[in-house]
Amino acid sequence: EPEVTQTPSHQVTQMGQEVILRCVPISNHLYFYWYRQILGQKVEFLVSFYNNEISEKSEIFDDQFSVERPDGSNFTLKIRSTKLEDSAMYFCASISGGYTEAFFGQGTRLTVV
Amino acid sequence: LAKTTQPISMDSYEGQEVNITCSHNNIATNDYITWYQQFPSQGPRFIIQGYKTKVTNEVASLFIPADRKSSTLSLPRVSLSDTAVYYCLVGEGSGGGADGLTFGKGTHLIIQP
Repeated sequence: EPEVTQTPSHQVTQMGQEVILRCVPISNHLYFYWYRQILGQKVEFLVSFYNNEISEKSEIFDDQFSVERPDGSNFTLKIRSTKLEDSAMYFCASISGGYTEAFFGQGTRLTVV
Repeated sequence: LAKTTQPISMDSYEGQEVNITCSHNNIATNDYITWYQQFPSQGPRFIIQGYKTKVTNEVASLFIPADRKSSTLSLPRVSLSDTAVYYCLVGEGSGGGADGLTFGKGTHLIIQP
């Protein structure tokens, strides 16, 4: 079964550093997403990406965040100048069409120290 | 976006049938009802989607009454591995489309031996 893959599975970074989280969505999918889940809390939508541009973003997705699809397979989330409160699980997801189910990756656990 | 309400937690035993009910009084005509499952430290996984009456797949059944103001996810003969958080979502597509998915707190189902 096709799957969304994320790397790394765990990243530890110092406050103020930049991190890049990587995702390989399912190859024929059209919409790509990043979500985050702070420990013990809800899964929160960050951003959707379609046709090589941001489609929607939440209020969480401020200037500290950016997304990119640098080639035909990778989808990245960059967090500039990380803060302690950025510590969370970050999930990448993709869907094949506007109304189909989302496939989530296993997540990257980001720990900011 | 239709708000959903579901129990915060439920307990059951191996081999039992488990029913998790979700209320969504403000569901719109175009909305579908979708359920996702999340294991600890993993991304959510699509279980089932329905619009009305009953839907069954290899994992679960979804019962939706005629007024569509609630739905019940039914898991037959649960095992320990069904311990997870179950999310009920309502929207035009099961993957969220451009807006992404809005997760609530879900129902934490604990299965005991």
